[in-house]
Amino acid sequence: DTAVSQTPKYLVTQMGNDKSIKCEQNLGHDTMYWYKQDSKKFLKIMFSYNNKELIINETVPNRFSPKSPDKAHLNLHINSLELGDSAVYFCASSLSGQVGNQPQHFGDGTRLSIL
Amino acid sequence: AQSVAQPEDQVNVAEGNPLTVKCTYSVSGNPYLFWYVQYPNRGLQFLLKYITGDNLVKGSYGFEAEFNKSQTSFHLKKPSALVSDSALYFCAVRDMRGAGKSTFGDGTTLTVKP
Repeated sequence: DTAVSQTPKYLVTQMGNDKSIKCEQNLGHDTMYWYKQDSKKFLKIMFSYNNKELIINETVPNRFSPKSPDKAHLNLHINSLELGDSAVYFCASSLSGQVGNQPQHFGDGTRLSIL
Repeated sequence: AQSVAQPEDQVNVAEGNPLTVKCTYSVSGNPYLFWYVQYPNRGLQFLLKYITGDNLVKGSYGFEAEFNKSQTSFHLKKPSALVSDSALYFCAVRDMRGAGKSTFGDGTTLTVKP
């Protein structure tokens, strides 16, 4: 059973398009995250939700909009895709994200390529 | 503000030799510290964490890490490296008094040669 699953695994699309990435976790965690990993493998937090409430919103273009319909799901919608959005996007989850002493569990990533 | 430094982009060791992957951190208060490993085309996997207590923390796959408060370091170690340990390793820190964000280092690529 996959603990944190993301779909799609690969996403190839044209500049200017709008796309969504979905994430689901079956670990019973209350906190979920989106990270961006660039071509140099640097990892940056984008957003975090705790019990469906946004708690972390880093400096990310407002073309990126997360949505958490329930504790087990966190989706990422991206409008007007740009070349610089090409990266691997990771979803993660943890228990008690507000406390911060629990490890995060990561999905296997969505590889986004903008043509 | 909190930050993490992994001073080595690359660490090369021979199989069977001990390995060390270095991490130093900076936080205002007391830290929570984590090590993760990433294999190609996979997400990060948790290895071990330091919350409080014993400075030597043992984790998965024979890895351990030593918390050193005076040197603000949390180096990852393994007594005998395996070829299968070759991967990208990330150190992460979270200030106990922080607002919920963990900061990750830039990663260190470990290569273990047979």
